[in-house]
Amino acid sequence: RKEVEQDPGPFNVPEGATVAFNCTYSNSASQSFFWYRQDCRKEPKLLMSVYSSGNEDGRFTAQLNRASQYISLLIRDSKLSDSATYLCVVKGSSNTGKLIFGQGTTLQVKP
Amino acid sequence: NAGVTQTPKFRVLKTGQSMTLLCAQDMNHEYMYWYRQDPGMGLRLIHYSVGEGTTAKGEVPDGYNVSRLKKQNFLLGLESAAPSQTSVYFCASSWGQSSSYEQYFGPGTRLTVT
Repeated sequence: RKEVEQDPGPFNVPEGATVAFNCTYSNSASQSFFWYRQDCRKEPKLLMSVYSSGNEDGRFTAQLNRASQYISLLIRDSKLSDSATYLCVVKGSSNTGKLIFGQGTTLQVKP
Repeated sequence: NAGVTQTPKFRVLKTGQSMTLLCAQDMNHEYMYWYRQDPGMGLRLIHYSVGEGTTAKGEVPDGYNVSRLKKQNFLLGLESAAPSQTSVYFCASSWGQSSSYEQYFGPGTRLTVT
């Protein structure tokens, strides 16, 4: 079983739609959680951290469910510019700063 | 403030050739990482360093060596390139402190081994 699992998609949605991605992780001792965004042929960039109480950044909402070991990302009012691959990222319990990256979920927003 | 830079951006090698990929960061980050990214595989950690003069193996270290002689630089070496090492290589750095494990990535090096 992969340490971090995501549905690779692709998710094809029209502009203005709401779309949600889920991700599960296997290590219950994981400490920190993130969503990264990666555009085609570019490097990953931090989209947002995920906090236990849930957090929102504009049209993006991230949720963490430690009991079920899953993380979600909700995008409201999708824009064409949201088209990208979204990586679910988990930090383990070690102090090496190592992050475990999911395979990514591809989103394509169409006009 | 350039962030994380990688040299070169593209390279084509023949099987058996060697090369070194250079990563440099100007954020005074303590931790640095080398990943490879292949279609359908996601990012996989090759080697990492938690400080100047230290290195450690990641998930897929075979066929690679690294060195961190200066805090701002992290070098990835391929001694004898193989077609299986065709990939996109990303370097990343982070503070490594409990308050900020965010990793900042370089633009990547696209390597083809023929």
